[in-house]
Amino acid sequence: EIVLTQSPGTLSLSPGERATLSCRASQSVSSSYLAWYQQKPGQAPRLLIYGASSRATGIPDRFSGSGSGTDFTLTISRLEPEDFAVYYCQQYGSSPTFGQGTKVEIK
Amino acid sequence: QVQLQESGPGLVKPSQTLSLTCTVSGGSISSGSYYWSWIRQPAGKGLEWIGRIYTSGSTNYNPSLKSRVTISVDTSKNQFSLKLSSVTAADTAVYYCARGGITIFGVEPLGYWGQGTLVTVSS
Repeated sequence: EIVLTQSPGTLSLSPGERATLSCRASQSVSSSYLAWYQQKPGQAPRLLIYGASSRATGIPDRFSGSGSGTDFTLTISRLEPEDFAVYYCQQYGSSPTFGQGTKVEIK
Repeated sequence: QVQLQESGPGLVKPSQTLSLTCTVSGGSISSGSYYWSWIRQPAGKGLEWIGRIYTSGSTNYNPSLKSRVTISVDTSKNQFSLKLSSVTAADTAVYYCARGGITIFGVEPLGYWGQGTLVTVSS
């Protein structure tokens, strides 16, 4: 099983600031099958990024993903009020797993 | 636009079997190249992948739950289901159903999710 470790656990930032979230895998993620999801309280997760760097339909371009192998990053270039949420990475290969999440909170 | 909706008992007794159904609307569950998944989330905690079933009928399960999980599809009702046996309080969670895709380029992640349903395991 591939274990995904996200850091930091909590990120305290102000609107307009840049957010950088990390996801590290215990072994290489095949074919960059790495996704990022956003979850707000009481809601289902929403797909943001797939294939490590491709934005899902309708996702603003302030969200970007990068990385390969075992190290992946989600960057939010300028935080909007609606971006404060919990973010999860997921590897969706043969036996999918999720990271434990990073909470982006208002400073 | 495909929509998914979970349904089932909100309360299950310990040692019994948890049974949930996900009804798919806006498209046929048996057409196209998709897989249908179950994910759960205990209160205040992260997401746990439970398993998935492909349009072909093949399945993958979380190794930690494999001995207790069955996912199946009912094409006549456009539904897929989750059965989790021998439940304990640790299985209390919000359960989500979701859809992912298969393309010529490979697997796609979970782009469509249900709203989730809370299942509590308690006597």
